[in-house]
Amino acid sequence: EAEVAQSPRYKITEKSQAVAFWCDPISGHATLYWYRQILGQGPELLVQFQDESVVDDSQLPKDRFSAERLKGVDSTLKIQPAELGDSAMYLCASSPGRFQETQYFGPGTRLLVL
Amino acid sequence: QKEVEQDPGPLSVPEGAIVSLNCTYSNSAFQYFMWYRQYSRKGPELLMYTYSSGNKEDGRFTAQVDKSSKYISLFIRDSQPSDSATYLCAMSLTDSWGKFQFGAGTQVVVTP
Repeated sequence: EAEVAQSPRYKITEKSQAVAFWCDPISGHATLYWYRQILGQGPELLVQFQDESVVDDSQLPKDRFSAERLKGVDSTLKIQPAELGDSAMYLCASSPGRFQETQYFGPGTRLLVL
Repeated sequence: QKEVEQDPGPLSVPEGAIVSLNCTYSNSAFQYFMWYRQYSRKGPELLMYTYSSGNKEDGRFTAQVDKSSKYISLFIRDSQPSDSATYLCAMSLTDSWGKFQFGAGTQVVVTP
């Protein structure tokens, strides 16, 4: 069964350092999402891609976060500089198309900022 | 006030019991309703997906949507210890390009 891949699974960093997360969606899925999930809360959308284009990044803290999906396949989410409040699970999800489709989640990257 | 409210639990039930979960929401324009299961330190996995009102059944799982009350439910029959997880509701608008609003999740513990 096809799955969304994410790496690394765990990341510990010090504040003010740069971190990057990678996501490989299910093959053929045009839409890719990055979510942040703080412990005890539901996922919150950070950025949504349709192919290589950003559809929604209204909740992305653009002063420190950036995301790209250059060839419309895999994607990278970067934080620079990391802050203590960025400690969370970062989830990637993908879906086949632009409309109300099922979103399939990866295992997530758990980030701890010290 | 959050758009989607969900009791965080924990909800503890004995094995074999019916688990009843629910979410309330404030935006009457939501049309798509989902339930996800999330095991500890894992990503959410889709359980049920419903459009508009009504009931949907899949094995031991039943999802209900009551749009007039802005209330959705998930029932798990014959609960098993393997059902112990956090259950997240999610919902979205027709034209939101798949932008989901998630509840905070309810932790369920099924004891043998």
